[in-house]
Amino acid sequence: KNEVEQSPQNLTAQEGEFITINCSYSVGISALHWLQQHPGGGIVSLFMLSSGKKKHGRLIATINIQEKHSSLHITASHPRDSAVYICAGSYGGSQGNLIFGKGTKLSVKP
Amino acid sequence: DAGVIQSPRHEVTEMGQEVTLRCKPISGHNSLFWYRQTMMRGLELLIYFNNNVPIDDSGMPEDRFSAKMPNASFSTLKIQPSEPRDSAVYFCATGEREQFFGPGTRLTVL
Repeated sequence: KNEVEQSPQNLTAQEGEFITINCSYSVGISALHWLQQHPGGGIVSLFMLSSGKKKHGRLIATINIQEKHSSLHITASHPRDSAVYICAGSYGGSQGNLIFGKGTKLSVKP
Repeated sequence: DAGVIQSPRHEVTEMGQEVTLRCKPISGHNSLFWYRQTMMRGLELLIYFNNNVPIDDSGMPEDRFSAKMPNASFSTLKIQPSEPRDSAVYFCATGEREQFFGPGTRLTVL
């Protein structure tokens, strides 16, 4: 059974802290997605990666194919980073067949 | 481009009524996805289309749910008859690699 698991479920940090969210998946995927869901409900795609590392501003995503593990890092966290972060795996050779993790709710305090 | 457009944004209906959710995807993308998000189950893929053809509808919960994509610029998700357990946020998304999500339709079935 294809599964995607995230940890932690909830995370509270102080502004400026370095944050790491982890994602593990059970079987081979063609790509790993990181999504951000704002308190208002909108979902934004942050990264899609199949190997190595990607960086966008203060966000960094890494993936280790052998260990079936991905991490999302936020450097110099800010209260506006408060959101739910969701990882999802593309299975079956199709980018659309996504299996989602349950999400990590991040709250960054000023 | 205005992004993925969904309507209505909110829908409140009574059990047994027919509900139709609408999606206008971003032009230039061949794939369209319908997702459902609930507190209990998180995000789940219901169905996705490629070039207006349904490719995988294994996520559609039961025969009460149906989806169509008559052309590249319009898709509908219909629930008939609706039940309280269908209450959720329904997202439409497009994109072959990075996914672009619509704002969602919050459905409440009383």
